[in-house]
Amino acid sequence: NAGVTQTPKFRILKIGQSMTLQCTQDMNHNYMYWYRQDPGMGLKLIYYSVGAGITDKGEVPNGYNVSRSTTEDFPLRLELAAPSQTSVYFCASSLGAGELFFGEGSRLTVL
Amino acid sequence: DQQVKQNSPSLSVQEGRISILNCDYTNSMFDYFLWYKKYPAEGPTFLISISSIKDKNEDGRFTVFLNKSAKHLSLHIVPSQPGDSAVYFCAASPILGGSNYKLTFGKGTLLTVNP
Repeated sequence: NAGVTQTPKFRILKIGQSMTLQCTQDMNHNYMYWYRQDPGMGLKLIYYSVGAGITDKGEVPNGYNVSRSTTEDFPLRLELAAPSQTSVYFCASSLGAGELFFGEGSRLTVL
Repeated sequence: DQQVKQNSPSLSVQEGRISILNCDYTNSMFDYFLWYKKYPAEGPTFLISISSIKDKNEDGRFTVFLNKSAKHLSLHIVPSQPGDSAVYFCAASPILGGSNYKLTFGKGTLLTVNP
């Protein structure tokens, strides 16, 4: 059982480049989330989805976009990378209230 | 404005002793609380939770206590083991309004258990 799978695990981007962080889950969870964690900080919610076709902004959505065309996949798009987006990104899923299942994280550096 | 605060960035305890990790919250709408554990280069994993209708929840060596009047919760680990060394995140969620799936996290506390 793979759980939540994120790719890539590491990526270096130049300022202004674009990229997509992929996230897929095999637990048939309706809810999916993208968090970022900066050094010494907690996890901050970027975007979330309560089901296929439904997404909404979290606490720090600027500079990101998401889509949810299937239950399994929830990609996060960075359109114009900026140094402030250097962070570790975590995708998570849940059945609803409470326990989130996290992926292993994607470490992104923007130079 | 931090709604979930973990004021101790780090904690060091001896193996076999009790570890107590603390968490304070400011939002009165929070009524569901969780603790996550995170090892380096891994995603957080769920540890234990508590609803506001309880003041204590126990799971093996882990117990979470909730003091609603003080807006304070704590995680007790007894006895502590070296494998418990990790960053522990406190998280909170409001149940009302269907927002119960959006967690607010604290900054985390690094627990080191020394053999």
